[in-house]
Amino acid sequence: GAVVSQHPSWVICKSGTSVKIECRSLDFQATTMFWYRQFPKQSLMLMATSNEGSKATYEQGVEKDKFLINHASLTLSTLTVTSAHPEDSSFYICSPFVQLAEGYEQYFGPGTRLTVT
Amino acid sequence: AQSVAQPEDQVNVAEGNPLTVKCTYSVSGNPYLFWYVQYPNRGLQFLLKYITGDNLVKGSYGFEAEFNKSQTSFHLKKPSALVSDSALYFCAVRESMIKAAGNKLTFGGGTRVLVKP
Repeated sequence: GAVVSQHPSWVICKSGTSVKIECRSLDFQATTMFWYRQFPKQSLMLMATSNEGSKATYEQGVEKDKFLINHASLTLSTLTVTSAHPEDSSFYICSPFVQLAEGYEQYFGPGTRLTVT
Repeated sequence: AQSVAQPEDQVNVAEGNPLTVKCTYSVSGNPYLFWYVQYPNRGLQFLLKYITGDNLVKGSYGFEAEFNKSQTSFHLKKPSALVSDSALYFCAVRESMIKAAGNKLTFGGGTRVLVKP
């Protein structure tokens, strides 16, 4: 099956600093990447959709200047949380949308736990 | 707009007993339905999906789900639960499997399953 990696898996940062989360597809190419956020004991909420080489589309209520998404290649997408605050503490999950021979599939990364102190 | 409802926040079941996790959905067209499982601090693991065809779908780890169009339901079932099945389960729906603008996976709120020995 498809392998998706996220780095780091855990990160603790101080309020006001920025954190970059990398999402890599290891054995396939993804033209579309979804980024989700999950608060404790809650469901996944879509933050943004990005297509390789173009700007991301953000969901309502998600600050595009705070959550910077870069999808520069078909195997790497990054989410940067800028000027992080404690309320940004969450579990962030990337999700590549992939075209296969038999159709399309959506996979999920293992997630990154961000704690802002 | 599409939506998913998981009416139970938590399901408790004794090991060896049948397990059912409920899900109902709402879409304007034909639904594509999914079940995922999430263990603590981990990403989502795919269990099964319904695209078309047989209403009874068999998936990973002995799970199955039945698509019921008239009741707009897609309940997850396992005949004999294991302690290791204790986790968070998410039902999800999308209206299309074609890569297109606005094509998103919508998640239910999640159901925590606790299997007691």
